[in-house]
Amino acid sequence: GNSVTQMEGPVTLSEEAFLTINCTYTATGYPSLFWYVQYPGEGLQLLLKATKADDKGSNKGFEATYRKETTSFHLEKGSVQVSDSAVYFCALLNAGGTSYGKLTFGQGTILTVHP
Amino acid sequence: DVKVTQSSRYLVKRTGEKVFLECVQDMDHENMFWYRQDPGLGLRLIYFSYDVKMKEKGDIPEGYSVSREKKERFSLILESASTNQTSMYLCASRGHGSGNTIYFGEGSWLTVV
Repeated sequence: GNSVTQMEGPVTLSEEAFLTINCTYTATGYPSLFWYVQYPGEGLQLLLKATKADDKGSNKGFEATYRKETTSFHLEKGSVQVSDSAVYFCALLNAGGTSYGKLTFGQGTILTVHP
Repeated sequence: DVKVTQSSRYLVKRTGEKVFLECVQDMDHENMFWYRQDPGLGLRLIYFSYDVKMKEKGDIPEGYSVSREKKERFSLILESASTNQTSMYLCASRGHGSGNTIYFGEGSWLTVV
């Protein structure tokens, strides 16, 4: 079946530091990949996505590249801000078979950014 | 913008009570989902629905049921709430034309005492 593995958290950084949150996946076929962000007390918001190999998703200074050869979709940001403190979820969607339309999530990574 | 609205943000219920969590989306989406979120476990799919009156079990359906009588509304039902169902519940929806993007509500915090 499908699975998503994220790096262990929590992650604590100083403002303007470089961020990487690792994400690897297992899936059959050609899934779409997503990063969602959850700010304190809120639901999940789509941060970025990539739908095929070598696609790069980007938004708000965050980037992630769909690497089929390493089955990875690592999230990066060059300079984090305090407002980036949140929980980040990597997710996979398989558009075919019995799992059509369902997202499979990683366990989430808590990011805290200090001034 | 797509809006997914969950009727209750915070609920406290007693063990054995029947609990209804309501979710409404305003974008005529075909697919709707209920997830629960627990620390260290991420989001786990309880049930989903791909059309009115259609439903499928997700990964953890035990202790839950769902109802989808209208396209815009998807209800999660706890027939007899138990303390291990204390969690954050997230509703989501997705349409065929949304580029595979799934949109989430703000979540319902349920405490069963």
